[in-house]
Amino acid sequence: EIVMTQSPATLSVSPGERATLSCRASQSVSSNLAWYQQKPGQAPRLLIYGASTRATGIPARFSGSGSGTEFTLTISSLQSEDFEVYYCQQYNNWPYTFGQGTKVEIK
Amino acid sequence: EVQLVESGGGLVQPGGSLRLSCAASEFTVSSNYMSWVRQAPGKGLEWVSLIYSGGSTYYADSVRGRFTISRDNSKNTLYLQMNSLRAEDTAVYYCARVGGFGEFPEYWGQGTLVTVSS
Repeated sequence: EIVMTQSPATLSVSPGERATLSCRASQSVSSNLAWYQQKPGQAPRLLIYGASTRATGIPARFSGSGSGTEFTLTISSLQSEDFEVYYCQQYNNWPYTFGQGTKVEIK
Repeated sequence: EVQLVESGGGLVQPGGSLRLSCAASEFTVSSNYMSWVRQAPGKGLEWVSLIYSGGSTYYADSVRGRFTISRDNSKNTLYLQMNSLRAEDTAVYYCARVGGFGEFPEYWGQGTLVTVSS
């Protein structure tokens, strides 16, 4: 099973600043990586797939990069609605696995 | 608009069984990749099971042999039959339509809570 490790566990950022979230895979997943946002009490929302392709309706301030084992989700200018939990997920090998999440909180 | 509505969650004793349902609207379940993903209270996400449009099924090691994913084409509904339930199966279970080639959950239901406790 591929283990996905996200860092940091919590990221404190001021509104309007840039946030950079990291995700590392225990072995190469090529570009088979997705990112999700989750608000409390709600289902996750797909943000990015294919490591860098934004899902339908996702604002341009969200961008993804990386391949192989190292990936990054960047939120260019944090809005109030962006202070949530973010998960990465690999789909290169079954079982598809998620990272443990990064919480983005207001600094 | 794509809609997924789960039902069937509740409190069950260890060793018991439960069947979750996921009613879909505005698309055909049998023509899509569908999955169940769960989230234990205060924890992260775990992909439980996946069914391809062609019928192939996949399971997490933690549930293989105990859970069965299926669908009823006439009802446009996805199911998860859960047997031999354990305390560690306690979670919110989400139904999802999966994008790509069954690779990333794209549309999610609101979830249904399963609690396994005596």
